Amino acid sequence: AQSVAQPEDQVNVAEGNPLTVKCTYSVSGNPYLFWYVQYPNRGLQFLLKYITGDNLVKGSYGFEAEFNKSQTSFHLKKPSALVSDSALYFCAVRDRAAGNKLTFGGGTRVLVKP
Amino acid sequence: GAVVSQHPSWVICKSGTSVKIECRSLDFQATTMFWYRQFPKQSLMLMATSNEGSKATYEQGVEKDKFLINHASLTLSTLTVTSAHPEDSSFYICSAIRGGGNTIYFGEGSWLTVV
Repeated sequence: AQSVAQPEDQVNVAEGNPLTVKCTYSVSGNPYLFWYVQYPNRGLQFLLKYITGDNLVKGSYGFEAEFNKSQTSFHLKKPSALVSDSALYFCAVRDRAAGNKLTFGGGTRVLVKP
Repeated sequence: GAVVSQHPSWVICKSGTSVKIECRSLDFQATTMFWYRQFPKQSLMLMATSNEGSKATYEQGVEKDKFLINHASLTLSTLTVTSAHPEDSSFYICSAIRGGGNTIYFGEGSWLTVV
């Protein structure tokens, strides 16, 4: 079975400082990994994905994530956070052998203070 | 990017009635759509996988007779909450995979309040 863990319920960061949101995963085969962001009362917006290739993936709004196979991690990063980045972030893993279902982490709330 | 639309965004219904939520892929064909439920401040819980032209596959613990899913075309899946009760009040989100693609795109979600 596949699973995703986001160890931090909330991350607080000052505007302009680097932002990191942690994610670790567990799958039986090769993972497809995703990050989504959710603003209040809204659906999920796709940020970035890792399928294959370079371990460093660049996505929307200046976000990037690094796939680390040995540590089974896929942490989300942004060099300089904005107040508008305050939202709920979800890491997800997809196992094609499991019918393309996405398994989500519990989510991490990011609060960027001015 | 791909666009998935949900309707209605907000709905209030009385206990015992049924309510239908639509999920449409606006600019691509989706052979597979997914329905999720999200409680406040919690993660998404997959309810069922909707396959065009066939029966939906429900996750363990989800009542298929209560949450009816129909995927009649390559761009439309519907979720009908039958005989709704207040405990069915939740945020329901659909998603879809573009044919041949790897990314799953989400709708904006639908708030259901049963009074």
